Amino acid sequence: AQSVTQLDSQVPVFEEAPVELRCNYSSSVSVYLFWYVQYPNQGLQLLLKYLSGSTLVKGINGFEAEFNKSQTSFHLRKPSVHISDTAEYFCAVSDMAGNTPLVFGKGTRLSVIA
Amino acid sequence: EAEVAQSPRYKITEKSQAVAFWCDPISGHATLYWYRQILGQGPELLVQFQDESVVDDSQLPKDRFSAERLKGVDSTLKIQPAELGDSAMYLCASSSPKDRQETQYFGPGTRLLVL
Repeated sequence: AQSVTQLDSQVPVFEEAPVELRCNYSSSVSVYLFWYVQYPNQGLQLLLKYLSGSTLVKGINGFEAEFNKSQTSFHLRKPSVHISDTAEYFCAVSDMAGNTPLVFGKGTRLSVIA
Repeated sequence: EAEVAQSPRYKITEKSQAVAFWCDPISGHATLYWYRQILGQGPELLVQFQDESVVDDSQLPKDRFSAERLKGVDSTLKIQPAELGDSAMYLCASSSPKDRQETQYFGPGTRLLVL
């Protein structure tokens, strides 16, 4: 079984400042890793994913994440945030069996302040 | 771009009533998931289908919840009777076993409020 811990429930940040949203996971098997974003009253949109290869993954909207196997982490970063980045961000894992359910963290609420 | 469709978007009901949610996955996606997202939490799996067959319903409260995907395309999730604790967002997602990119695509969700 897998579990995901998002270390911060809320992150306030000023517009144009950098941000890091932290995610740690636990699993007895190798996993795929994902970050999703959710805007109010909407479904989840995939930001980026790590399946294999380079540990630095680039996604949409200028976000990137780095997979660290030894630290079992997959932190999300953006060098300069915009007001429009205000949303809920979810880290998720799935095992490598293929088409298996995602296990999500509890989410981090990113609030960008003008 | 193909999308997962869900209806209704919002539903208000009284406890002990029956409710039903509908999901139409992306065309060709054989795998369909229903997740429940309680306010302030991440989504949690309720049921997973592969074509018309249930793969995993271990977290589905079977005394009141049921799910079906009769023709292996669209799916219905039903709650009868609804309880106050069922108030949540119900999310449908789909994926293709042929897609080695392992991506699940989510619909807009149905927000349920039980009074």
